[in-house]
Amino acid sequence: SAVISQKPSRDICQRGTSLTIQCQVDSQVTMMFWYRQQPGQSLTLIATANQGSEATYESGFVIDKFPISRPNLTFSTLTVSNMSPEDSSIYLCSVTEGVDGNTIYFGEGSWLTVV
Amino acid sequence: EDQVTQSPEALRLQEGESSSLNCSYTVSGLRGLFWYRQDPGKGPEFLFTLYSAGEEKEKERLKATLTKKESFLHITAPKPEDSATYLCAVQARTGGFKTIFGAGTRLFVKA
Repeated sequence: SAVISQKPSRDICQRGTSLTIQCQVDSQVTMMFWYRQQPGQSLTLIATANQGSEATYESGFVIDKFPISRPNLTFSTLTVSNMSPEDSSIYLCSVTEGVDGNTIYFGEGSWLTVV
Repeated sequence: EDQVTQSPEALRLQEGESSSLNCSYTVSGLRGLFWYRQDPGKGPEFLFTLYSAGEEKEKERLKATLTKKESFLHITAPKPEDSATYLCAVQARTGGFKTIFGAGTRLFVKA
C-alpha cells in the first residue's frame, strides 16, 4: 500500500493561531481525504481534497476554518485556522487504494493540542 | 441514515481467551465493510475489506465475517500485543468514497 507521511506529527498551538498540516504520498493517488478524530471519539470526514480544484467539505466543516490545497496527485495540505481548544484532535490524511479502489489507508496522523 | 454501531465499547481478555467484537450497520446498499486497528496516538491500520454476506477473511489471529446486518471480528487466542482499538467502517454504493466509522472497541489483553 501507499506510504503516507504527515508533518507535523505532533504540535502544541496557541489559541487564535493557524497551523498547516502537510500530507505526502509516495505514489500518485486519485482520492485524498482529511479526517478528524477528537479525543476518545471515532473518525469524522472533514473533506475530500480534489486535485486542481476546491475541496469538497462535509456538513459541519467550512473552507474558512479548514482550507485545503491539493496541487498534485501526491500532496495535500490542511490548515486549521483560528484555533480554539475544541480543535484539539488528531488530523488524519487518507487515500483510497487497493484492487477495487475503495479501501481507505491512513497516515500516522497529526496530533494537535490547542492551549 | 448510514450508521455503524460497535459493541462492546471495551473488552478485557486474558491472554489466550478467544472472543468476538461486533459491528452492526445500517447502510443504503453496502459497497464495502472495513476493519481497522488503531494504536494510541497513531493512524488506523487497515485489516480487512468485506463486500458481501457470507464472506470471511483471516489474518493471523483475526477473522472477520459479514452478514447482511453485522460483522464480527473474531480474535483467537489473543496476545497482549493485540491490545488496541478496533474500528469498523462502511461505504455505501451511492455515497462516493465517504466512509462512516463506528466508535470502536477498545481491546485489552492481559498476560
